[in-house]
Amino acid sequence: SQTIHQWPATLVQPVGSPLSLECTVEGTSNPNLYWYRQAAGRGLQLLFYSVGIGQISSEVPQNLSASRPQDRQFILSSKKLLLSDSGFYLCAWSGLKGQGEVDYGYTFGSGTRLTVV
Amino acid sequence: GQNIDQPTEMTATEGAIVQINCTYQTSGFNGLFWYQQHAGEAPTFLSYNVLDGLEEKGRFSSFLSRSKGYSYLLLKELQMKDSASYLCAPLWKAGKSTFGDGTTLTVKP
Repeated sequence: SQTIHQWPATLVQPVGSPLSLECTVEGTSNPNLYWYRQAAGRGLQLLFYSVGIGQISSEVPQNLSASRPQDRQFILSSKKLLLSDSGFYLCAWSGLKGQGEVDYGYTFGSGTRLTVV
Repeated sequence: GQNIDQPTEMTATEGAIVQINCTYQTSGFNGLFWYQQHAGEAPTFLSYNVLDGLEEKGRFSSFLSRSKGYSYLLLKELQMKDSASYLCAPLWKAGKSTFGDGTTLTVKP
């Protein structure tokens, strides 16, 4: 079976500090990977998605970046955090889920609650 | 994105039935997901419709009309634990989903 790991669960960072959130998927290969942000009481905003190693598409211009150094690893980074970067960050994947079947439904990690102070 | 429209909030009574509607633009549409998200948690998959009609899964059912750009999620025999946000998420031909802002359902005793 497939699992997705996302860490840390909570993070409090000062303005101007760097950020690195990591997400890994197990039990599948060549997954589509996504980073979403959710502001309090709002919907999910797609930040980045990746269809393969080194292939990153950015949906929203901002001071965040993403990298995919390995097939099942997706990293969200920032060099200098802003107050507006606070939110609930979710990693998700879609793709092969058993029996060679492609499933476009998203499985989400448990999320990282980031507070920039 | 893609003009996804669903009510912001709904309230219903334990044991009742509630229908949450969602409309979206039809251009580039491939299928539609519904997710459930409890407060402070990640969304979890509820249903997927690609053909017109009703898909039933226990107490939850989801309906799709591709030509009308319309879907609904039907929850029967409501329980207190059903209090959550319900996210409508069309899947587009590019292989990505976008999410509505969600409908916050409150179930009262």
